[in-house]
Amino acid sequence: DTGVSQNPRHKITKRGQNVTFRCDPISEHNRLYWYRQTLGQGPEFLTYFQNEAQLEKSRLLSDRFSAERPKGSFSTLEIQRTEQGDSAMYLCASSLGVATPLDTQYFGPGTRLTVL
Amino acid sequence: AQSVTQLDSQVPVFEEAPVELRCNYSSSVSVYLFWYVQYPNQGLQLLLKYLSGSTLVESINGFEAEFNKSQTSFHLRKPSVHISDTAEYFCAVSEETNAGKSTFGDGTTLTVKP
Repeated sequence: DTGVSQNPRHKITKRGQNVTFRCDPISEHNRLYWYRQTLGQGPEFLTYFQNEAQLEKSRLLSDRFSAERPKGSFSTLEIQRTEQGDSAMYLCASSLGVATPLDTQYFGPGTRLTVL
Repeated sequence: AQSVTQLDSQVPVFEEAPVELRCNYSSSVSVYLFWYVQYPNQGLQLLLKYLSGSTLVESINGFEAEFNKSQTSFHLRKPSVHISDTAEYFCAVSEETNAGKSTFGDGTTLTVKP
């Protein structure tokens, strides 16, 4: 399958622990996006990358959150000192990143985080 | 900053009936508009988008949406729905000056009953 993949699909952790999620975009996609989705709400933009450069970060992304895309391919999203309010579905999407706005974002299946 | 309001959280309809899912947006600049669909146990997929030109855009599975600038709306319609259209639908907007950042509505659950 050549779609966007995310690992793990589910993560249960205790409050205060650190967690890291991985996203593998579609091959040759230059842009990669992270969103957070809580129950009953739509996805909320967190950040996006053009290749390895992080172009924008939402103010939702507190200093406990950090995202990287070191080689312009896969990306990781780390949450330090997790809180119960961090429980959500974390979505990753990728796009070609050329000639926006003709770009189309392709979404992965998400990582569901539960903080106990 | 842009925002999106989906006016109905749940829309139940019978098979072969018409449906309209309503979406209003707010932005101080020109925007691009999108509808995404999420079928049960699947990821979000782009259904259709408005970038410029004709205000009526269509998808391959019979949905259409019309951009109405004066009413700041982008309602999604289908003249005759199928059971397989049961899904959650999200309206989204991004500003022309920052097309990488999309703002989503809270979604509308469409349930098609036999």
